[in-house]
Amino acid sequence: GAVVSQHPSWVICKSGTSVKIECRSLDFQATTMFWYRQFPKQSLMLMATSNEGSKATYEQGVEKDKFLINHASLTLSTLTVTSAHPEDSSFYICSALAGLGNEQFFGPGTRLTVL
Amino acid sequence: AQSVTQLGSHVSVSEGALVLLRCNYSSSVPPYLFWYVQYPNQGLQLLLKYTTGATLVKGINGFEAEFKKSETSFHLTKPSAHMSDAAEYFCAVTRNSGNTPLVFGKGTRLSVIA
Repeated sequence: GAVVSQHPSWVICKSGTSVKIECRSLDFQATTMFWYRQFPKQSLMLMATSNEGSKATYEQGVEKDKFLINHASLTLSTLTVTSAHPEDSSFYICSALAGLGNEQFFGPGTRLTVL
Repeated sequence: AQSVTQLGSHVSVSEGALVLLRCNYSSSVPPYLFWYVQYPNQGLQLLLKYTTGATLVKGINGFEAEFKKSETSFHLTKPSAHMSDAAEYFCAVTRNSGNTPLVFGKGTRLSVIA
């Protein structure tokens, strides 16, 4: 089956630093990837849609200058949280769209803790 | 616009009892519907999906769901709960065309009591 990986699986950083999270489709090409954010005991909220070779589309209320998304290849999308603050602490999950049927395959998530 | 409502943020059942997790959707176009399971600190795993065709969909781990257009529902069931079924379950909807993201319900936490 289609496999999506994320790296790192967890990261702790100091306030003000930047953190890069990678999302890779391991055995398929994904022209579209999605980035979601999940707060404790809550649902997944879409942050942005990442399209290979073009600018990401951000959801309302998501700061594009703070959450930089780069989809440079058909198998890799990155999310960079710039100048992270404690309120950015969350579980970040990516998904990649594969083939027909609009099925998304999810990565295992990255837990970000900003001190 | 599309939306999903999951009735009951927490459901508790006894081991061996029927599991019923409710999901109602709203969509102005024919929907694709999904159920995902999430274990603590992990990503989402697809349980089953409805796209077209048969309205009763069977998934992994003995789960199934029935798409009822007249009721705009897609409830998830399992005849006999196992302890390993304890997890968070998310219902999601998307359009049946284009590269569109999923819209998730708020989730239902399933507890299984021995």
